[in-house]
Amino acid sequence: NAGVTQTPKFRVLKTGQSMTLLCAQDMNHEYMYWYRQDPGMGLRLIHYSVGEGTTAKGEVPDGYNVSRLKKQNFLLGLESAAPSQTSVYFCASSSDRATDTQYFGPGTRLTVL
Amino acid sequence: SQQGEEDPQALSIQEGENATMNCSYKTSINNLQWYRQNSGRGLVHLILIRSNEREKHSGRLRVTLDTSKKSSSLLITASRAADTASYFCATADSTLTFGKGTMLLVSP
Repeated sequence: NAGVTQTPKFRVLKTGQSMTLLCAQDMNHEYMYWYRQDPGMGLRLIHYSVGEGTTAKGEVPDGYNVSRLKKQNFLLGLESAAPSQTSVYFCASSSDRATDTQYFGPGTRLTVL
Repeated sequence: SQQGEEDPQALSIQEGENATMNCSYKTSINNLQWYRQNSGRGLVHLILIRSNEREKHSGRLRVTLDTSKKSSSLLITASRAADTASYFCATADSTLTFGKGTMLLVSP
């Protein structure tokens, strides 16, 4: 039982490049989330999903897109990376409600030059 | 916008001492949760306290919730070096909103 996994662990991009971060969970959870963590800012919600095929905007959605084609996977895309998107990205999942306990992945450290 | 705000931002204690962290929030909540983050790792859930509960225990952890003051506290008793981490409160209304965290350093 791997829990929540994230791919890749580290990535360096140049401004304007695109990439996709993959999150996978094996707990059959309905809800999945993408957060970013910046120094002194805590965690901020980017997008979330309440089930397969659904997505919703969080606090800081601009510059990101997401897709939930399969229940176990939640993808975060950056179409044209900017230095302001340099951050650590965390994926999480929860069982029944967005207010339930969340289970986090190990994070992806992204640097945009 | 941050809902929960932890206090203090940083706390340094000796092994065996108790550590207390506080969280204040602004709007009504469904529940309040505490998470721990070791350096470079993902967050780990510690404890959840519902809005109709006043106190909850889990091992060496004690959490209180005062909805009239919109505040919560996390007490770690008999701290160990392994408790060194950042601790976050998260308030639950429609989703979870995390505070900026308290960095706890426990020295041997």
